[in-house]
Amino acid sequence: NAGVTQTPKFQVLKTGQSMTLQCAQDMNHNSMYWYRQDPGMGLRLIYYSASEGTTDKGEVPNGYNVSRLNKREFSLRLESAAPSQTSVYFCASRRTSAEAIQETQYFGPGTRLLVL
Amino acid sequence: RKEVEQDPGPFNVPEGATVAFNCTYSNSASQSFFWYRQDCRKEPKLLMSVYSSGNEDGRFTAQLNRASQYISLLIRDSKLSDSATYLCVVTTSYSQGGKLIFGQGTELSVKP
Repeated sequence: NAGVTQTPKFQVLKTGQSMTLQCAQDMNHNSMYWYRQDPGMGLRLIYYSASEGTTDKGEVPNGYNVSRLNKREFSLRLESAAPSQTSVYFCASRRTSAEAIQETQYFGPGTRLLVL
Repeated sequence: RKEVEQDPGPFNVPEGATVAFNCTYSNSASQSFFWYRQDCRKEPKLLMSVYSSGNEDGRFTAQLNRASQYISLLIRDSKLSDSATYLCVVTTSYSQGGKLIFGQGTELSVKP
């Protein structure tokens, strides 16, 4: 049981390049999330997927796209990277339901992205 | 106004001290509440859930005041290993996607 895994761990991009951050969970969670974390800003939600087949914007979606490929996988794509997207990206998953209000959210180890 | 606000600190305390963190949230429909801990450059991990009646886990005590939309975390007998950033977290309702909204975190440094 690996929990939440993310690839790659580190990436350096040039402005304008594209890339996809991969995330997978093996806990059979229905909801998955992408956050970015910058110094002094805390964790900010980029996109989330409440269930397979649905995605919704979070607080800072501009410049990103997501795909909920299946129940296990939720990818984040940067189509044209900008220096402002230099950050640490965390994927997370959680079991959500009308009853499961105290369920824990589990995080992946993060992807550190530098855009030059 | 941020949905979840915390004093960013840093809090610098000696070993054995008692330290309290406060957090306020703006959405009165927030459904559940947590404290997470984040060590430097690592992913956040659940420290404890916060229940309406207040709850304790060893040296850690969490309180919730729904009327004032206020959450607190008390750490007694601080250890060096408690040094970390503490994140206050609230969730939206299930119908709103069950999103977790994070405060910006309060940094704690426990010194010998």
